[in-house]
Amino acid sequence: GQQLNQSPQSMFIQEGEDVSMNCTSSSIFNTWLWYKQDPGEGPVLLIALYKAGELTSNGRLTAQFGITRKDSFLNISASIPSDVGIYFCAGPTLMDSNYQLIWGAGTKLIIKP
Amino acid sequence: DAGVTQSPTHLIKTRGQHVTLRCSPISGHKSVSWYQQVLGQGPQFIFQYYEKEERGRGNFPDRFSARQFPNYSSELNVNALLLGDSALYLCASSLAARQIYTLNTEAFFGQGTRLTVV
Repeated sequence: GQQLNQSPQSMFIQEGEDVSMNCTSSSIFNTWLWYKQDPGEGPVLLIALYKAGELTSNGRLTAQFGITRKDSFLNISASIPSDVGIYFCAGPTLMDSNYQLIWGAGTKLIIKP
Repeated sequence: DAGVTQSPTHLIKTRGQHVTLRCSPISGHKSVSWYQQVLGQGPQFIFQYYEKEERGRGNFPDRFSARQFPNYSSELNVNALLLGDSALYLCASSLAARQIYTLNTEAFFGQGTRLTVV
């Protein structure tokens, strides 16, 4: 079945640094979604991308929909402590006439003390 | 307005037992989806319900079942629990069933129910 591969698995960064993570697939997606999940909480949608090549920002977050439609990137500029958490990419796939979300395994962001 | 609410927040069950998890969607949302999230992984789709009918099912055994009530709340039932069923169970609500994934139809997640099977 379809899979989304996220990298890196985890990142240790200094406060103030920029962060980059990506998500790749062997299949084409028409939409890419980026979520953040804090401990003990459900995922929260950060950015949605609907068009190949699209670059969309949400505050210090910027995400891009890859031209091949098989990848997407998320960048966080000037990281702050509240950026800590797990970032997931997800994409809808059509099954039995309804869309289901396929998720990556997540990138865990940890800020060095 | 209240967001998606799930109950209970935590639950411990023994192997072979059954469990019922509950979800109340955001007011006005008619679609509820259930996901299983095992530690260290992304969520896996289990079911989607819209207008009380099942509209999608993931690759889960028949021990998993769900239903949606006239007020659009939903229950997820798991029978004959196995150790591997230990996970965070997430409920997501959205306006529409087809989830076109425009900003008007994004899915909102509850905080989840942490199920531990011992």
